[in-house]
Amino acid sequence: GEDVEQSLFLSVREGDSSVINCTYTDSSSTYLYWYKQEPGAGLQLLTYIFSNMDMKQDQRLTVLLNKKDKHLSLRIADTQTGDSAIYFCAETTPQAGTALIFGKGTTLSVSS
Amino acid sequence: DAGVTQSPTHLIKTRGQQVTLRCSPISGHKSVSWYQQVLGQGPQFIFQYYEKEERGRGNFPDRFSARQFPNYSSELNVNALLLGDSALYLCASSEGVTGELFFGEGSRLTVL
Repeated sequence: GEDVEQSLFLSVREGDSSVINCTYTDSSSTYLYWYKQEPGAGLQLLTYIFSNMDMKQDQRLTVLLNKKDKHLSLRIADTQTGDSAIYFCAETTPQAGTALIFGKGTTLSVSS
Repeated sequence: DAGVTQSPTHLIKTRGQQVTLRCSPISGHKSVSWYQQVLGQGPQFIFQYYEKEERGRGNFPDRFSARQFPNYSSELNVNALLLGDSALYLCASSEGVTGELFFGEGSRLTVL
């Protein structure tokens, strides 16, 4: 079945690195995504990775994919207070078609 | 350019009533998707429409329906409202059936 799990909360200090983790159950996942949601706002796509890739880097963001363990992580370097938000992991699978399957989200709190 | 716009932003209904939510996609986008986000959960896929045809449907009861108009805007209708329908309803548009989703800020529905 399709299921995406995330830890619910992460607290870091400004300037530190943040690592948000996600596990998924469907080995046929095609794309895996990270979205950011700030209070009162919609979802913003941060980055995505194709399932045949191991790593993707985009400025302060690094995505690591371990397909064997079905584990995805998002590392934010030099975390800023403006990074405080809810981060959602999501996947697409052939069974789900064009639908995104989201985790419950990880609340990142950055203190100065 | 305007992003995805949704209306109304907030509304309160009572059990048994009906609600219509509206979404205007980004100019040039032909696909609209609807997601339900219950408080503390990740978004769940409801529908996708492309070129006025339904391209995907999530696991929601028949009380939920949607349509897409020739100008690619969309409406989501929910009949016979239940308390559990209280949620943030997110609309997302994309250029095609697949591709990056751009989310609106959502319509927050409260059912009393």
